[in-house]
Parts: sequence; C-alpha cells; structure tokens
Amino acid sequence: EAQVTQNPRYLITVTGKKLTVTCSQNMNHEYMSWYRQDPGLGLRQIYYSMNVEVTDKGDVPEGYKVSRKEKRNFPLILESPSPNQTSLYFCASSSRTGARNIQYFGAGTRLSVL
Amino acid sequence: EDKVVQSPLSLVVHEGDTVTLNCSYEVTNFRSLLWYKQEKKAPTFLFMLTSSGIEKKSGRLSSILDKKELFSILNITATQTGDSAIYLCAVSDNNDMRFGAGTRLTVKP
Repeated sequence: EAQVTQNPRYLITVTGKKLTVTCSQNMNHEYMSWYRQDPGLGLRQIYYSMNVEVTDKGDVPEGYKVSRKEKRNFPLILESPSPNQTSLYFCASSSRTGARNIQYFGAGTRLSVL
Repeated sequence: EDKVVQSPLSLVVHEGDTVTLNCSYEVTNFRSLLWYKQEKKAPTFLFMLTSSGIEKKSGRLSSILDKKELFSILNITATQTGDSAIYLCAVSDNNDMRFGAGTRLTVKP
C-alpha cells in the first residue's frame, strides 16, 4: 500500500531534549516536505527536499533540521525543543513527474514540549 | 510576499444546504491550486486545478479556478454530516506549496 509513515504519532517531551520525528514513503517520490499545523494558521512549511541530498528552508525553519540521505526517508530533528514548537506535524511527499503537485500526507505527529 | 487566503474561516450549516468555500492567492510562478479535506488526521486530496474556467467535479463536490482574478471556489451541494472537516486550499509554485489557514465546515443534522 502506498503511504507516508510518520513516527511517533504522539510525543511529549521537555524543553531542550533533542528529538527526531521519522518520515518514510514507499512511493519512490522525489519531493518530500515537513509542515506544522497550528490553529488559525493552517499548514506552514518547515523544510522541503527536492531530491536526495537537496534540502531547502520553508516558511518556518527556525529550530528545526532535516536530512535527506536516502530517497525514502526525511527525518525532522529538533535539536533543542522549546514550548513554541508544540504543534501538529505532517510529513508529505509527491512525485516530480506526472501529477507532481499532489502531495500525500502522513498521519501526523502531535508534539507537546513542556 | 506569497499568500493564500481562505474564507470563511468557519462555517456552520445544516444537512442539505449548499456551501461555497473561497480561496484567493498571490503566488509568484503559479503552477497549480489544490484542495484538500482534513478530518481527524492527514489532509486528503480532493482536486488539482491548473487552468481557468474548467470545473473539476467529484460527486457533490466541485471546484473551479479563475487565474485572472486569482481565486478558486469549492462547492459542496446537499451537504451531509460526513462533509464536516477542515478544507484546505494550497497553491504550488516551481518549488513548494503554500497552504491557506483552512475553512472549518460543520454540518449539523
């Protein structure tokens, strides 16, 4: 089954404790992206990657890191989480050919930073 | 600065009503506009629009794009309680995608 898998689905942590949210897709998509969703603000892009070893900042990259060492994986790293990073996070992927603008989303990761 | 604005932000209707959701945008290098439906989990794709004036239709949902006036509408006829969700509009350029804040639709029995 074609899907985007995020883990964990729920995470509660404390300020300053490094964490990683994993994202994996099995559709051989070139493009992958991370978003955060906050009430009244919609989905805001954190980072995106056009292909392996190519990453770029989105609208709200501060406090986040990403890497794209393999095509299928695009982990989101919070080196020193802060309470303002409490949010719902989505990973998404899409093809660079054909219907390349249709992004497929993971189920989301709800993060609370205390 | 690129932006996508959806209206209304929230809407409450009764079953059987028809609703129109709006999305206006200012994006450099426009490529396409997409509508997503988000219930409790991840957004799911509804429509992708790239050309003006061509209506996309799926059951009771339809959408159209006006590239001259830079907006799109999503229509839902004969609404059902299962249509209750957040509807997201997104616009893509050459590199990435920008989302609006969404419209929260509540359909009451």
